[in-house]
Amino acid sequence: NAGVTQTPKFQVLKTGQSMTLQCAQDMNHEYMSWYRQDPGMGLRLIHYSVGAGITDQGEVPNGYNVSRSTTEDFPLRLLSAAPSQTSVYFCATRGVLEQYFGPGTRLTVT
Amino acid sequence: GEDVEQSLFLSVREGDSSVINCTYTDSSSTYLYWYKQEPGAGLQLLTYIFSNMDMKQDQRLTVLLNKKDKHLSLRIADTQTGDSAIYFCAEMGTGTASKLTFGTGTRLQVTL
Repeated sequence: NAGVTQTPKFQVLKTGQSMTLQCAQDMNHEYMSWYRQDPGMGLRLIHYSVGAGITDQGEVPNGYNVSRSTTEDFPLRLLSAAPSQTSVYFCATRGVLEQYFGPGTRLTVT
Repeated sequence: GEDVEQSLFLSVREGDSSVINCTYTDSSSTYLYWYKQEPGAGLQLLTYIFSNMDMKQDQRLTVLLNKKDKHLSLRIADTQTGDSAIYFCAEMGTGTASKLTFGTGTRLQVTL
């Protein structure tokens, strides 16, 4: 039982490049979400999903796309990376009350 | 919208008690959480409390909730160097699509 896994752990992109951050869970949770963590700002919600085929925007969705074709996977896409997207990204799932976080992806955009 | 505030830094001596404070604005908050983040790691759930409770104790951790003042605190008894981390307060309402709103985090430094 791996819980929530994220790949890659680290990534460096040039401005304008695209990439997908992967997130997978084996807890059969319907609710999944993506956060970014920046110094002094806590965690801010980017996108979330309440089940396969359903996604919605969080607090800071601009520049990011998501899809949820299966219960297990919730990838986050950066279509054209910008330096402002340099951050640590966390994927999370939620059971009834408890939210479980992945180990994070540290992204640097130069 | 919802807002959750914490002080940024707290320094305590090993063996003392630590008290980390949090205030929130959403009166419909139903669940309040404390998470711990060690360097380079994800967030680990420490404990949570329902809004109809005013205290919860779990080993060295005591959570106090003052719903009238929308104030939440986390007390760590006998603080150890392994408690050095960032502590996040978070709140959530009811409903399937309810979102977890985090505070900015309090960095706890434990000195010898």
